[in-house]
Amino acid sequence: QVQLVQSGAEVKKPGSSVKVSCKTSGGNFRSYSISWVRQAPGQGLEWMGGIIPVFGTADYAQKFQGRVTITTDESTSTAYMELSSLNSEATAVYYCARGMVRGDFSALDIWGQGTKVTVSS
Amino acid sequence: EIVLTQSPGTLSLSPGERATLSCRASQSVTYNYLAWYQQKPGQAPRLLIYGASSRATGIPDRFSGSGSGTDFTLTISRLEPEDFAVYYCQHYGSSPRTFGQGTKVEIK
Repeated sequence: QVQLVQSGAEVKKPGSSVKVSCKTSGGNFRSYSISWVRQAPGQGLEWMGGIIPVFGTADYAQKFQGRVTITTDESTSTAYMELSSLNSEATAVYYCARGMVRGDFSALDIWGQGTKVTVSS
Repeated sequence: EIVLTQSPGTLSLSPGERATLSCRASQSVTYNYLAWYQQKPGQAPRLLIYGASSRATGIPDRFSGSGSGTDFTLTISRLEPEDFAVYYCQHYGSSPRTFGQGTKVEIK
C-alpha cells in the first residue's frame, strides 16, 4: 500500500523560506507525479505545482513561479517543496499528493497527511 | 488558465436526499480530465471521481459524476451522514491544474 508521509509542522519568520518533505513508501516512486497543494485557513485547495520524478522537470502555477522549488531525491523516494520569501499569506496546510497514472499528471489518489506552516514574526 | 466555478457554495440537505453539485469550466477541459474530491474537517482530500465519470477505488456507487466539455456534475444519490463535507472539482489536463472553490454540503 502506497503512503505519503510529510514532515512536521513549521513556524517561520516573514521573509524566510520553508522546505517540506514528502516520503513515498511502497510503489514506484519514479513514474508517478507528485503535486503540492496549499490550503489556507478556512479556504479552498490551491495547486502550486508538481513533478514527475523520472522526467525531473517541475511544473509550477504562475502564481508561485520564482518562489517555489519542487525537487525529488530518488534514493530516498522523497519529494520536496521549498517556498521562499514567506509572508502571512503563506500560512497554510501544505499537502503532497500522488497522481494515479504513470508518467503523467492525473487525478490525485493518494495524499500526505499535510504539513502546517505558520508564518509569524 | 482554466477557472473552475462551483455552485452552489453551500447545499443544505437532509440525510437520504439527493445532492447535485455543479462545476463549470471557463474553457473546455482536455479529454474531460476532471476530478472530484471530498474533504472533511482536519483531513486530507479524498479522490471520488476521475475522468469526469469514473469512480475511484472503494468509492460507493451512490457517488456519480457526469458531464463533458465545460459543464460537470457530481451527484450523491442518497446522502449518508458521512457525506456531509466539502467537495472540490479539479481539472488535470493542462497546467495549472486548478481547483474549484468548493461546495459545502451541510445537514439541513
